[in-house]
Formats: sequence, structure tokens, C-alpha cells
Amino acid sequence: SAVISQKPSRDICQRGTSLTIQCQVDSQVTMMFWYRQQPGQSLTLIATANQGSEATYESGFVIDKFPISRPNLTFSTLTVSNMSPEDSSIYLCSAQRGGSYEQYFGPGTRLTVT
Amino acid sequence: DAKTTQPPSMDCAEGRAANLPCNHSTISGNEYVYWYRQIHSQGPQYIIHGLKNNETNEMASLIITEDRKSSTLILPHATLRDTAVYYCIVRVAHGGSQGNLIFGKGTKLSVKP
Repeated sequence: SAVISQKPSRDICQRGTSLTIQCQVDSQVTMMFWYRQQPGQSLTLIATANQGSEATYESGFVIDKFPISRPNLTFSTLTVSNMSPEDSSIYLCSAQRGGSYEQYFGPGTRLTVT
Repeated sequence: DAKTTQPPSMDCAEGRAANLPCNHSTISGNEYVYWYRQIHSQGPQYIIHGLKNNETNEMASLIITEDRKSSTLILPHATLRDTAVYYCIVRVAHGGSQGNLIFGKGTKLSVKP
């Protein structure tokens, strides 16, 4: 298994500011992902964080708004830029080892934008 | 668009079996059926997956119809801690660019005393 931690666990931010969320995995993984879960909704995949190259974004998500870094095989960050109240969501980090069928999830970061 | 259809909610009595259905009529030959659940305020948790044979592990059983167009997740003796949203997802075995884990709306299972 893989244990995933996220920082911060929650934050309240002002409109127009940016927040960087950190994701740490307790062992090396091949793939890391970022999801968003808006209030009362299911999870939506934002992007795949690629180690050593630019992230792969899903339709509707762009790098300028959600820049992602992945400097090594255990760590990734997601920045939510120029925030608006519509960005209020839970942001979840996820990871999977190559050749493994199981994808693990972190506890999420609850973001409120005022 | 999600490739699966699930009832939005179900109730189950504590100690009884919970049978959660899922329709996936457009499933491809190389796609597996995965089940995850999300307990309130937690990240999703893997339960089980299968291709065409029935599968069982310590958490649940997965029954897949012969034509693979539908499946049922069975929690044999539901407890209050099984109250969660259950997601049925189809994807290629190990994911990757062609098989990201895409969540639908899921079934909210409420286990009642």
C-alpha cells in the first residue's frame, strides 16, 4: 500500500490569491494525480502529474490556473491560482505504482475562498 | 461522460448483505470493473476489481454478468461503518493515459441499525 499525506488539510483564502497544496507519498510511485471534488459532487480529474515533465491536463483545466510540479517520485504540488469562490472545493492527491491496479488517495485539502 | 450507471442511493439494514448494482453496457474487452468507496470526509478507498470472473476479497464480492454489461458489488454483512458513497468505474487494468480513474456520481449507501 501507499500512504499519502497532504498539506494543508484545510485553508480559507481570499479572492485573487494563490494556494499551493503539497502531496507526499511514503514510497516511490509511478503516477500521481490531482482531483477536485466540489461540494456535494463526485471527483473530477484535474491532471496527471508527470515526473520530470509538464503535467497532462484534462479538458477544462489549464496550467495557468492549476500549475503542477512533480520534482521526484514521491512528491507533487498543485497551485490554485487567482482564486475565486468557485474554486472552493476539496482537492485530492492520488498515486499509483506502475503495473499496479490500485490507486491510492490522500485525505484531501478543503479549500474555502471568500 | 461516465461509462457506468448506478442508483443514486440505497439503504441496507445492519448485518444484512448490501447488493450494489452497476450498469456498464459499453464496456470494452480490455476494461476492468473497479469499485471504490468514499466515506464522509475521507479520500476514496479501493475495494475490488474484476474482468469477467467473479472476485472475492476480505472486503467484498464482485459478481460480473456473462455479457459483462453489468455487475453487482456485495458487502456480505454490512456495518454502520460501510455507510459511504460507492463508485463503480470501468478502466483498463493499470490505468495510464488511456485509462484514468474517472468517477461518476456513485451510489450513496446508508446502513441503518
